[in-house]
Amino acid sequence: GAGVSQSPSNKVTEKGKDVELRCDPISGHTALYWYRQSLGQGLEFLIYFQGNSAPDKSGLPSDRFSAERTGGSVSTLTIQRTQQEDSAVYLCASSFQDRAYEQYFGPGTRLTVT
Amino acid sequence: GENVEQHPSTLSVQEGDSAVIKCTYSDSASNYFPWYKQELGKRPQLIIDIRSNVGEKKDQRIAVTLNKTAKHFSLHITETQPEDSAVYFCAASGADNYGQNFVFGPGTRLSVLP
Repeated sequence: GAGVSQSPSNKVTEKGKDVELRCDPISGHTALYWYRQSLGQGLEFLIYFQGNSAPDKSGLPSDRFSAERTGGSVSTLTIQRTQQEDSAVYLCASSFQDRAYEQYFGPGTRLTVT
Repeated sequence: GENVEQHPSTLSVQEGDSAVIKCTYSDSASNYFPWYKQELGKRPQLIIDIRSNVGEKKDQRIAVTLNKTAKHFSLHITETQPEDSAVYFCAASGADNYGQNFVFGPGTRLSVLP
């Protein structure tokens, strides 16, 4: 079966522009996570969706970051007015509701803000 | 909130030797501790995990130990091979069946020298 997919794989944008990153979780996975990984750094939690519950947005670094999940499946992470410090790999992960700790990661989107 | 530290940040071993990576966590409520392996340019992949009701878990050449009292857990790789070279991340979570956000350690870059 298909794993977690993300698009685009690479995105180069100019400072100040908005970007949208997409995540398609594994079918049947109700939990979806977004992480950010800066060059040579660890994984920074951004946001977590679980079913129809309100998302846990505690990791979003600023109000320029937002995410939505439509129909309990695909998720979009939006970064408005991008800054150079937003350059990183953005990773999405998903899991089953009753095994929400076992996360499967997508390949990531490498965002470069010039 | 939870804080996870990981040591060492880099580790070089000769092929065939053992490698040990240690993590400490701050939140005594954390009860799930996964380890992820991330090869260069690839997504993190879960390699082993342990829950707080278990002190040790093994899977072939990989083992994880947990000391709840001291709030630390370790990854042990025996008979290391060049393909073990990667960045390893530990994480801690207060995950119940419905999950919570993970807190990752900063990572350990393991190099296995032939």
